[in-house]
Amino acid sequence: DAKTTQPNSMESNEEEPVHLPCNHSTISGTDYIHWYRQLPSQGPEYVIHGLTSNVNNRMASLAIAEDRKSSTLILHRATLRDAAVYYCILRDLIGGGTSYGKLTFGQGTILTVHP
Amino acid sequence: EAGVAQSPRYKIIEKRQSVAFWCNPISGHATLYWYQQILGQGPKLLIQFQNNGVVDDSQLPKDRFSAERLKGVDSTLKIQPAKLEDSAVYLCASRDIKNTEAFFGQGTRLTVV
Repeated sequence: DAKTTQPNSMESNEEEPVHLPCNHSTISGTDYIHWYRQLPSQGPEYVIHGLTSNVNNRMASLAIAEDRKSSTLILHRATLRDAAVYYCILRDLIGGGTSYGKLTFGQGTILTVHP
Repeated sequence: EAGVAQSPRYKIIEKRQSVAFWCNPISGHATLYWYQQILGQGPKLLIQFQNNGVVDDSQLPKDRFSAERLKGVDSTLKIQPAKLEDSAVYLCASRDIKNTEAFFGQGTRLTVV
């Protein structure tokens, strides 16, 4: 399976933007980039996903590099409720790759938000 | 929309005992996952079902773990016999095959003593 690399931890102040990076240099053409987050004592929850173009939703934005070897999850104004572990995951949703349909988590980035 | 339901929330057993976890996915979701999350690590996929068929169980320790999804709805995960290293949170998730988003339950925290 294609691997992702994320920093172990990051810190932010409340109401400031947060940019969470993810490297995926071995991404295949059929891999979508997904982000999930896990709040303390909760199961993971979906945040956003994309293939090539930048994506926005009510929770966050996803910026994808032109060569698709890296991406950045952007939280525009961090709140204390955004403190969580953020996971960057590659999923083959088109077919033909070994990661087809799989949802494989790495270690993630622990985000701490200071008041 | 009701979420993924799991029970029990917590379980403490002695090593070599048996334990079972139950998951009720979101109605209509054909795909069901079981994950094991050891403290400080990301969730590890144990088994993935599509309806009542197994899609991937490559990381399921089959000598002690078993899972079934009768009628393609509810699922149970069993450990027999349990070892100390099985202490973890067991997460169930489900997904509609037409959508990419997976929904997770709150998990069952297992402590083996």
